[in-house]
Amino acid sequence: NAGVTQTPKFQVLKTGQSMTLQCAQDMNHEYMSWYRQDPGMGLRLIHYSVGAGITDQGEVPNGYNVSRSTTEDFPLRLLSAAPSQTSVYFCASSSAQAASYEQYFGPGTRLTVT
Amino acid sequence: QKEVEQDPGPLSVPEGAIVSLNCTYSNSAFQYFMWYRQYSRKGPELLMYTYSSGNKEDGRFTAQVDKSSKYISLFIRDSQPSDSATYLCAMIYSGGGADGLTFGKGTHLIIQP
Repeated sequence: NAGVTQTPKFQVLKTGQSMTLQCAQDMNHEYMSWYRQDPGMGLRLIHYSVGAGITDQGEVPNGYNVSRSTTEDFPLRLLSAAPSQTSVYFCASSSAQAASYEQYFGPGTRLTVT
Repeated sequence: QKEVEQDPGPLSVPEGAIVSLNCTYSNSAFQYFMWYRQYSRKGPELLMYTYSSGNKEDGRFTAQVDKSSKYISLFIRDSQPSDSATYLCAMIYSGGGADGLTFGKGTHLIIQP
């Protein structure tokens, strides 16, 4: 049981490039979400999903896209990277029974946009 | 005004001391209150959660919620160097809700051996 996995661990992008951050969970959780963590800002919700085929925006969705074609995977796409997207990105999941208060976080992806 | 306020620290205490970590919040609709621990360069991990007001104890950790004052606390007894980490409070509305947790900024705790 690997829990929540994220790839890559580190990434450097140039302004304007696109990329996909991968997230997978093997706990059969319905809820999945993406947060970004910036110094002095705490964790902020980007997008979330309540199940396969259903996604919605969080607090800071601009510049990011998501899709959820399977229960296990919830990729986050950066369409055209900007220096303001330099951050640490965390994926999280939780079961329907626990609602979203008992969330399990992945190890994070550190992204630098130059 | 931010919804959740948390002193970022750092808070430095000697080993064996009782640690008190706190958050205040403004939205009375919050019903679930969580404490996450985050070690450097790792993802947050859930320590405890509490529903509505009251206390909850788990080993050396006690979570306390005072909804009338919109104030939550985490106490760590017999603190150990391994407790050194950033502690994040988080909250969510009644019914759980899928639209994510509202986090404090985290308090950086240092336990001195």
